[in-house]
Amino acid sequence: QSALTQPASVSGSPGQSITISCTGTSSDVGAYNSVSWYQQHPGKAPKLMIYDVSNRPSGVSNRFSGSKSGSTASLTISGLQAEDEADYYCASYTTSFTYVFGTGTKVTVL
Amino acid sequence: EVQLVESGGGLVQPGGSLRLSCAASGFTFSTYWMHWVRQAPGKGLVWVSSISSDVSITRYTDSVSGRFTISRDNAKNTLYLQMDSLRAEDTAVYFCVRGASGWIGTDYWGQGTLVTVSS
Repeated sequence: QSALTQPASVSGSPGQSITISCTGTSSDVGAYNSVSWYQQHPGKAPKLMIYDVSNRPSGVSNRFSGSKSGSTASLTISGLQAEDEADYYCASYTTSFTYVFGTGTKVTVL
Repeated sequence: EVQLVESGGGLVQPGGSLRLSCAASGFTFSTYWMHWVRQAPGKGLVWVSSISSDVSITRYTDSVSGRFTISRDNAKNTLYLQMDSLRAEDTAVYFCVRGASGWIGTDYWGQGTLVTVSS
């Protein structure tokens, strides 16, 4: 199972919006609406930010939103803040009943 | 509060074995799927293995199948990962992760335990 494809890095100024893409195949992202997004600060455990493509867990800022079209999912961060600087990973359930993560995207707040 | 605390990591020689443990608290452990995810130094997240709440189903990524064994003791609220025939490429932080309830995926993560395979 190959990793889902994400851009290596995305940057933006405070207050701006950025979007991170996550491209898979018809065997993972395109097969189910079971796409999640995780935020990871250096040396820390990943934190769930989005599940089932577009749902936010309790306590996650509404500046984070998700969507999906075909085999590509996206995470948008609106009103970018310094604390959003971190690595972001998408993940998807697969038709083989396993999970696959994305390659990861480093978000830099300029 | 959900807590997942991994232990058992360390330095091991290639070909050696190690058993990781994950002590769970703050939720009804016996009703959740559990997973192991690893992250090599400076690299991305990789799903390793999953186990169903009743132990009847286990799954592995291809690179560890036949070498790693996931298990759990619901009476002790503990998840395990037995790692045999370790290779240098197994060097990583291993995270214990809770499966979600009501949707497919994972929600809470432990802080991880570092496994280093080197001579």
